[in-house]
Amino acid sequence: GENVEQHPSTLSVQEGDSAVIKCTYSDSASNYFPWYKQELGKRPQLIIDIRSNVGEKKDQRIAVTLNKTAKHFSLHITETQPEDSAVYFCAASRAGDDKIIFGKGTRLHILP
Amino acid sequence: TAGITQAPTSQILAAGRSMTLRCTQDMRHNAMYWYRQDLGLGLRLIHYSNTAGTTGKGEVPDGYSVSRANTDDFPLTLASAVPSQTSVYFCASRVEGMGTEAFFGQGTRLTVV
Repeated sequence: GENVEQHPSTLSVQEGDSAVIKCTYSDSASNYFPWYKQELGKRPQLIIDIRSNVGEKKDQRIAVTLNKTAKHFSLHITETQPEDSAVYFCAASRAGDDKIIFGKGTRLHILP
Repeated sequence: TAGITQAPTSQILAAGRSMTLRCTQDMRHNAMYWYRQDLGLGLRLIHYSNTAGTTGKGEVPDGYSVSRANTDDFPLTLASAVPSQTSVYFCASRVEGMGTEAFFGQGTRLTVV
């Protein structure tokens, strides 16, 4: 089955700097890659997603890139702000198999 | 709009006892999921259902069972709880098919003692 690896497990960046979180997946048939943000004590919520027919997607300060050949995808947050502090999860799924498999998460700390 | 709701919010359960965690959604989503969240282990899929009447095993199904009698409800049952099942449990749902957002419930914090 699908396996999603996520790195790093913890990331601290200075406010205003950029943060990058990386994920790899094992199932070459996976074609949908969402990213979720989970604030302390709250439920995970989708922040951005990308499908396999696209190499990059951007939404304001957040961008995701996908390399199908290498089977990895990354989350980029620019101009980080205190409210970006949270746990971020990557995930993978494929059409015809509705399972969504998550990585282990990255705890992002934005330092003042 | 209620969205997706879980009950109870938290529970302390004696080892060996059974319990059912409830999950209800009003979005008419076909696909529903149960995850457990443990520190350092992320969100691990327990069971899922693509549509009413069908269920499937996830990454960590042992000790858990599910049913999907209708579109809206997806209960998770622990037949005989053990301390290793102490966790935060999240239910989620989405429209079946490729590439759609999953919506999560607020979670159930379960402690097995």
